[in-house]
Amino acid sequence: GDSVTQMEGPVTLSEEAFLTINCTYTATGYPSLFWYVQYPGEGLQLLLKATKADDKGSNKGFEATYRKETTSFHLEKGSVQVSDSAVYFCALYTGGFKTIFGAGTRLFVKA
Amino acid sequence: KAGVTQTPRYLIKTRGQQVTLSCSPISGHRSVSWYQQTPGQGLQFLFEYFSETQRNKGNFPGRFSGRQFSNSRSEMNVSTLELGDSALYLCASSSLPTGLTNEKLFFGSGTQLSVL
Repeated sequence: GDSVTQMEGPVTLSEEAFLTINCTYTATGYPSLFWYVQYPGEGLQLLLKATKADDKGSNKGFEATYRKETTSFHLEKGSVQVSDSAVYFCALYTGGFKTIFGAGTRLFVKA
Repeated sequence: KAGVTQTPRYLIKTRGQQVTLSCSPISGHRSVSWYQQTPGQGLQFLFEYFSETQRNKGNFPGRFSGRQFSNSRSEMNVSTLELGDSALYLCASSSLPTGLTNEKLFFGSGTQLSVL
């Protein structure tokens, strides 16, 4: 079945460091891919998305490129801030009224 | 525009009891999905409703059930609670019609259920 695999956390970085969170997927058909972020005590909110191969989603300095050949959608940010500390979820949707999420990666950013 | 509202925010129950959680979607959204979030498993899909019809269901036992009302509000019920049911239950709504592949979900803050 369809699935999403994310790198395990927690990831701990110093402020202004470069961030990469790996995400790979298995899916039949052509999924849409998403990154959601969850701040402490809150629900998830959409960070960025890409709907077809080679699309790049971007928002708030975060980027991810839909790579069909490697079935990946890695999240990157050039310079993280303390306020980026949160849990990040990679997700896919291939229809069937069900979005599938990865296990989440917790990010800690130290000042 | 009000966001997705889940009530109650916290619940403490004992084993064997049952519980009902409520979700009010964003006005105009007709699709409501439920997820269980635990530290080890991440988000696990429970079920999705659209116009009062369940369209998909995850791999959970029959103790987990849900429904949606004509105003799109949804409830989920867990009967005969077990310790392992302790989790954050998240509800999400969507405005997109059926069949589209770029479905964006809007999440509530969740109901934290603790089973003692």
